[in-house]
Amino acid sequence: GNSVTQMEGPVTLSEEAFLTINCTYTATGYPSLFWYVQYPGEGLQLLLKATKADDKGSNKGFEATYRKETTSFHLEKGSVQVSDSAVYFCALSDRSTGNQFYFGTGTSLTVIP
Amino acid sequence: SQTIHQWPATLVQPVGSPLSLECTVEGTSNPNLYWYRQAAGRGLQLLFYSVGIGQISSEVPQNLSASRPQDRQFILSSKKLLLSDSGFYLCAWSVGRPGTQYFGPGTRLLVL
Repeated sequence: GNSVTQMEGPVTLSEEAFLTINCTYTATGYPSLFWYVQYPGEGLQLLLKATKADDKGSNKGFEATYRKETTSFHLEKGSVQVSDSAVYFCALSDRSTGNQFYFGTGTSLTVIP
Repeated sequence: SQTIHQWPATLVQPVGSPLSLECTVEGTSNPNLYWYRQAAGRGLQLLFYSVGIGQISSEVPQNLSASRPQDRQFILSSKKLLLSDSGFYLCAWSVGRPGTQYFGPGTRLLVL
């Protein structure tokens, strides 16, 4: 079946530190992969996505590369800011299983000045 | 452009009372619609999804129900709320198969 596993949080970093949030997946078909961000008290916002192997999604300084050989989609940012403090969700959708999304459990990030 | 609305933003209800949460989408046709629940500090739990008017798929058996009376309207209901129904309820939409999901601002429900 389909599933997403992402690293446990919470993660606390100092401003300008390098960020990596690990995400691995299991899929029966050829999934599309996503990162969503949820700021306190708000809904989820799409951060970036990749639809096929070796694609790199990027947005607001965040990047993630779709690695089929390692079934991974790790989120990275070179220099985090206090405003990046949020919960980050990795997700996949698989055409073979219709319209459903499979979300990871979320990783809470706190960036301190 | 497309927008998604949810209301109310916050709701406090006594145990045993009914519930109705509404979600509407603008700027798109024939969207897939979803209801998720997020308990405090937890991940997302898919409750219902709909691919068209009157078509509802339930993912988790519980005392909640969903309806889609119009193409861009999705309603989450309960006849009698339980304490365990407290949480953050998120509506989402997508187009295509599979399509990127876009989320509404959420409704925070507290059952006392």
